[in-house]
Amino acid sequence: EEQLVESGGGLIQPGGSLRLSCAASGLIVSTNYMSWVRQAPGKGLEWVAVIYSGGTTRYADSVKGRITFSRDNSKNTMYLQMSSLRADDTAVYYCARVATREYNYALDVWGQGTTVTVSS
Amino acid sequence: DIQLTQSPSSLSASVGDRVTITCRASQTISNYLNWYQKQPGKAPRLLIYAASSLQSGVPSRFSGSGSGTDFTLTISSLEPEDFATYYCQQTYSFPLFGGGTKVEIK
Repeated sequence: EEQLVESGGGLIQPGGSLRLSCAASGLIVSTNYMSWVRQAPGKGLEWVAVIYSGGTTRYADSVKGRITFSRDNSKNTMYLQMSSLRADDTAVYYCARVATREYNYALDVWGQGTTVTVSS
Repeated sequence: DIQLTQSPSSLSASVGDRVTITCRASQTISNYLNWYQKQPGKAPRLLIYAASSLQSGVPSRFSGSGSGTDFTLTISSLEPEDFATYYCQQTYSFPLFGGGTKVEIK
């Protein structure tokens, strides 16, 4: 069974840093496109970042320059390093697998989410 | 950037009702349109990909249609577990979600 499990969320002060992890099982992160999506309280889904199988990354404008998406192939785990955190980064963060072109790059496997709260 | 506009933003319906949600793109996106269901406290769930293809394991009461700029998600007969928020997503260019449609119990 393909499964993603996020961890690392918590309460962090504005301006602080946090690293989220997403451990995969049943799928290989290095051969897939993988994404992070977030949902702020009372808001809709917001796509945050993607890492392609070749390692290239892309970021939403709202987080560009403050977030780094990486992976450790040996651990089959992805990471989202967040810095200069702001109150509007408060959200549940989900990692997800990007399906192939046949599936129009839809997000077909999701983790359960980890909550990040930015507050003093 | 391509924008997605969902309508309505919310609706009230009863079990057994037929429900239709629309998603309009600001420019043509071919069939690069996907639909998700989001329930409180749960991860999003892929329902429809490529505008009209049903994801494996999703009940057949869900269907999608459209191409170009106008798309529709239809639930043919609402079940109690279908009360949730539904999002469209375009993957033609930089991925983006629509604003969501909340389906509430009447």
